[in-house]
Amino acid sequence: QVQLQESGPGLVKPSETLSLSCSVSGGSFSSYYWTWFRQPPGKGLEWIGYTYYSGTTDYNPSLKSRVTISVDTSKNQFSLKLSSVTAADTAVYFCATLENKNGYAPDYWGQGTLVTVSS
Amino acid sequence: DIVMTQSPLSLPVTPGEPASISCRSSQSLLHGNGKTYLHWYLQKPGQSPQLLIYLGSDRASGVPDRFSGSGSGTDFTLKISRVEADDVGVYYCMQALQTPYTFGQGTELEVK
Repeated sequence: QVQLQESGPGLVKPSETLSLSCSVSGGSFSSYYWTWFRQPPGKGLEWIGYTYYSGTTDYNPSLKSRVTISVDTSKNQFSLKLSSVTAADTAVYFCATLENKNGYAPDYWGQGTLVTVSS
Repeated sequence: DIVMTQSPLSLPVTPGEPASISCRSSQSLLHGNGKTYLHWYLQKPGQSPQLLIYLGSDRASGVPDRFSGSGSGTDFTLKISRVEADDVGVYYCMQALQTPYTFGQGTELEVK
């Protein structure tokens, strides 16, 4: 059973970089792809991107120029960095796992963390 | 991007009655390996999404058999045979055939 927990600042100023971490327990880094989603208040879900422990990444083209997702196996965590944020980036951010065997259906999710972009 | 369209967007249901949610994709979700990369989620109020159905019709671990998924190509359906009070929330379909992964708008199920 994989457990995920997001952490990071709940308030980020416009034009700055949003940085979140997702702590992983109960799972092997080579068994999953590690992914981020977000959900603006009252709205639907948006996929941000994923990484694999080998360093492979894939990002949503709508965010690609601003996003970096990376894994730190020594700390049992993976991270999200989103640069040049605006109010439109205000959302609950979720980390999750992807597995080939179930068609890359995100199965384990963190509880989510709200990030507000405001001065 | 593959566009996912759900209907209805709001679904009031009496407990014990069945419910059905439709999801259509802008292109076929059938992979060359024969699998269909369509998944269903329930997001209960204040919670993260929980996987109900993966690959079109496979129930995730611990999901009651009241929930079933069907469909092929571009047309898919999630059915709940007998709605319970605990089924309230927003249901999403999601495609994972190609990135960027995309979701339907969500269907809010309300128990009368």
